[in-house]
Amino acid sequence: GAVVSQHPSRVICKSGTSVKIECRSLDFQATTMFWYRQFPKQSLMLMATSNEGSKATYEQGVEKDKFLINHASLTLSTLTVTSAHPEDSSFYICSARDRGLAGSGEQFFGPGTRLTVL
Amino acid sequence: QKEVEQDPGPLSVPEGAIVSLNCTYSNSAFQYFMWYRQYSRKGPELLMYTYSSGNKEDGRFTAQVDKSSKYISLFIRDSQPSDSATYLCAMSAGGKLIFGQGTELSVKP
Repeated sequence: GAVVSQHPSRVICKSGTSVKIECRSLDFQATTMFWYRQFPKQSLMLMATSNEGSKATYEQGVEKDKFLINHASLTLSTLTVTSAHPEDSSFYICSARDRGLAGSGEQFFGPGTRLTVL
Repeated sequence: QKEVEQDPGPLSVPEGAIVSLNCTYSNSAFQYFMWYRQYSRKGPELLMYTYSSGNKEDGRFTAQVDKSSKYISLFIRDSQPSDSATYLCAMSAGGKLIFGQGTELSVKP
């Protein structure tokens, strides 16, 4: 149980285009999903917290107009990188919190999406 | 000072060795403590989850939490080459997770 999927696993795009990444909880309902980015040899950096049916909460320094997050259902959240530039190239990882474990802090992670912007 | 400190390593051990990984933290409100394993280019995988202080054992893995010292540990017994990965500690007061930097472990055959 507690499986989180991400799609696509890898994407290469031209500078200026927008890229959408999907995160799905496959066998549980997730009222809260999180989006992280990770640079090589570094830890995960939280970008935003998304709650089903409400606006995402962004961490300080993360541009909400550049990284659009939508959490339309209890099993799906999307991250859209708008007008991507080479500096947006990174490993993007989502995680989800099981609705039944809301107070535990426990999160289950997706396999990640490697974005390369040319 | 970071909220969670973790030695990034790298740490290299021979197969069969006991591995000790540690994190210290400064926020006394943390109650939930986790260890994740991350293979290269993959998402983190939850290894151990502990609430408050104490020990938890799962196969070759043992997690310890000492809230009085603000110190958590992960022990790996009989380490295997397949344990080679980056190990991330993470903790929470019930909201977002705060991660350590991660320790890169290499187990040599």
